This record gives sequence, C-alpha cells and structure tokens, in this order.
Amino acid sequence: EPEVTQTPSHQVTQMGQEVILRCVPISNHLYFYWYRQILGQKVEFLVSFYNNEISEKSEIFDDQFSVERPDGSNFTLKIRSTKLEDSAMYFCASDSGRGADQPQHFGDGTRLSIL
Amino acid sequence: DAKTTQPPSMDCAEGRAANLPCNHSTISGNEYVYWYRQIHSQGPQYIIHGLKNNETNEMASLIITEDRKSSTLILPHATLRDTAVYYCIAGQTSYDKVIFGPGTSLSVIP
Repeated sequence: EPEVTQTPSHQVTQMGQEVILRCVPISNHLYFYWYRQILGQKVEFLVSFYNNEISEKSEIFDDQFSVERPDGSNFTLKIRSTKLEDSAMYFCASDSGRGADQPQHFGDGTRLSIL
Repeated sequence: DAKTTQPPSMDCAEGRAANLPCNHSTISGNEYVYWYRQIHSQGPQYIIHGLKNNETNEMASLIITEDRKSSTLILPHATLRDTAVYYCIAGQTSYDKVIFGPGTSLSVIP
C-alpha cells in the first residue's frame, strides 16, 4: 500500500540553525500538510498546501517556517532559525483530493531535537 | 469541525473485541466520522470513516447511531499491537486540517 515517507527519522540541530524536513507524499495526491506534536501533547496542525500555494496556516506557522514542493515529488518544511521550543515530532500528510471525505495519510514523522 | 468527546483510557483483553465510543452531538449533515490511531512514536494511522451507514474494513468496524450523535469503533479481536491512542474526528479531512483531540488510550492486556 502506498505510504507517506519522511526523512530523516531523527534530526539534531543547534539552536539558531536552519533545518529542512523532507516528505514524499503518496503519488497522485494533491493536498499536503505538516503537523507537529510536542512530547506528551496533541498533534497540532501547522500548514496545508495545494497547487503550489499555502491554503491555510496556523498561528504556530510564523515567519520562521516555510514550505516548498521543489520537484513535484518532495514536500519540505524549513525552519529558518530554530528555537528550543521547536523540538517536536513533525508529521507530513497528504490526501488525494478526490472527494471531501478523503482521509489524510500520515508519515511516521521526523523527531527534531534542538540543542 | 464538530467537537468530539472520548473516554481518556480503556483496557481490553487480548482476543476480545475492543469497543471505543465517541460522542459528536454537534456533527452537521455533511461531516464524516473518522478514526485514526497513533501507536507510540509513529504517525497517526487512518483506520476508517463513515457518514451515516455502518462501515467495515480489514482493520475495524464503525457503527454510527441513527441520529449520528455518537459512534463506536470496533476492533473485533484486539491484539497487543492494537495498543495505541485512538482519535475520533468529525469533519471533512480533505482540503482541511485535521483537529486532533486527546483521544482514547487503549491498552490491550495479555
């Protein structure tokens, strides 16, 4: 069964450094999402992306965050200058867009640790 | 999305059916009921969804009450690998963000 893949599985970065998290959504899916989960807390929405544009973003997704679909297969989340509070699991998701009821499918995440 | 209410935790004996309830009394007519689960350290995994009819797939069954104000996810023969947090979501998840609540932490006991 097709799945969303994310790399790396674990990223350790010094505070203030830039980090790029990578995702390969399910082929032929049209809608893409990033979520994060701080340890022990709920999964939170960050941003949705469709047709090479951000569709919606949350308050968490400030100017330090950006997303890109550089080559038609990868979907990336960049954090420009990381902070300690950015430490979390980051999940990518995609859905087919073939109907309003279509479920999102999630990757297994990247654990981001900021030192 | 409509608000959902789930018990914070449940236990189930291995091999028995696990019945996970969810209340969604404010669900609107075009909103679906979705179930996801999150096994420790993994991403949320889609299980099943439905509008008003009962649904079954290889993972689980979904029973939605006639008034659509509540539903039950049934894992027919729970195994230890079914230990996870189960999330009930009411809404439409394509084109839109998924709002996760705290879910139900299901422990399957040998």
